[in-house]
Amino acid sequence: QVTLKESGPVLVKPTETLTLTCTVSGFSLSNAKMAVTWIRQPPGKALEWLAQIFSNDERWYTPSLKDRLTISRDAAKSQVVLTMTNVDPADTATYFCARIRGVEEWELYLDYWGQGTLVTVSS
Amino acid sequence: DIQLTQSPSFLSASVGDRVTITCRASQGISRYLVWYQQKPGKAPKLLIYTASTLQSGVPSRFSGSGSGTEFTLTISSLQPEDFATYYCQQLNNYPATFGQGTKVDIK
Repeated sequence: QVTLKESGPVLVKPTETLTLTCTVSGFSLSNAKMAVTWIRQPPGKALEWLAQIFSNDERWYTPSLKDRLTISRDAAKSQVVLTMTNVDPADTATYFCARIRGVEEWELYLDYWGQGTLVTVSS
Repeated sequence: DIQLTQSPSFLSASVGDRVTITCRASQGISRYLVWYQQKPGKAPKLLIYTASTLQSGVPSRFSGSGSGTEFTLTISSLQPEDFATYYCQQLNNYPATFGQGTKVDIK
């Protein structure tokens, strides 16, 4: 059974660094057919892609946040970590991690998602 | 970046209606378009990938079509559990992008 679960702080102060962890089960982060991505959704707004990491450690970031984001993985712990520096109230959102399938064929889609974690940035 | 524009943004429909949502890409993306359904307070759920492939377990009343720059999601007979927000996404091209969403509400 494939599951993903996000964890991290509920409240972060402006200018601080946010660290979110996605713990996966039911598949391996070393599987070349898959990858993991982070996506966020501000309250009442649309989904926004943030970053993704492949089994070969290739990392992609959304251009607008590239300087503030770092994605990493620990296959032994089955975890993918996203850090965001210098947070702002505009970063208040529900953060989701999801599994990417179709990597070998390069026909990508997100087939399993975590439940999401709401992060509020406020002093 | 490839922009995805969904239309309409809001749709009011009745149970049993046929519903069509359009997603237009700012440049050609072949058939690499994905559709998700999201209900309030929940994570999105995969419906269709590569424009027309139905994800396992998704009811056959959902279908997708299109290629290049124009894509559609069709619900052949709207059911009460289908009232939700629908998003298209492309992630074969960097950076990945989502449409702005289409909310399907009860008429």
